Amino acid sequence: NAGVTQTPKFQVLKTGQSMTLQCAQDMNHNSMYWYRQDPGMGLRLIYYSASEGTTDKGEVPNGYNVSRLNKREFSLRLESAAPSQTSVYFCASHSSTVPYEQYFGPGTRLTVT
Amino acid sequence: GDSVTQMEGPVTLSEEAFLTINCTYTATGYPSLFWYVQYPGEGLQLLLKATKADDKGSNKGFEATYRKETTSFHLEKGSVQVSDSAVYFCALSDSTGRRALTFGSGTRLQVQP
Repeated sequence: NAGVTQTPKFQVLKTGQSMTLQCAQDMNHNSMYWYRQDPGMGLRLIYYSASEGTTDKGEVPNGYNVSRLNKREFSLRLESAAPSQTSVYFCASHSSTVPYEQYFGPGTRLTVT
Repeated sequence: GDSVTQMEGPVTLSEEAFLTINCTYTATGYPSLFWYVQYPGEGLQLLLKATKADDKGSNKGFEATYRKETTSFHLEKGSVQVSDSAVYFCALSDSTGRRALTFGSGTRLQVQP
């Protein structure tokens, strides 16, 4: 039982390049989330998925797209990276039964130069 | 919208000192409240939670009580250890089906031997 896994762990991109951050959970959770964490700020919600095939925008969705192809995986895509997207990205999943907790992956540290 | 305000850090304490990290929130409805901890280079771990007014969450010697009248969820520990050095985040979960988390900006705790 690995919980929530994310790849890659680190990534450096040049402005304008694209990439996809991968996230998978093996806890059979319906809800999954992408957050970003910036210095001096808490985590902010980028996108949310309530179930396979559904996604919804969060607080800071501009510049990102997401895909929830199956129950396990929820990917985040940067089509044209910008320096403002330098951040640490966390994926999370939420249990819809007791104890109703949100579980986080280890994070991806992305630098855009 | 929902928001969480925490005291700014860093908080520097000597080992065995008493810890309080203040957290207040603004939310509609009846949110659940959480404290997460982030150790250096790691993801977020749930420390404790409370789901309704007057509930007390506790774990590893840390406690926090859900105070609806003062909209607060202050984190306390009677005797901190060097191993408690980390960043602590207060968060709330909205009472809609989305259950996304809204985070405070985090408080860095440094415990000196």
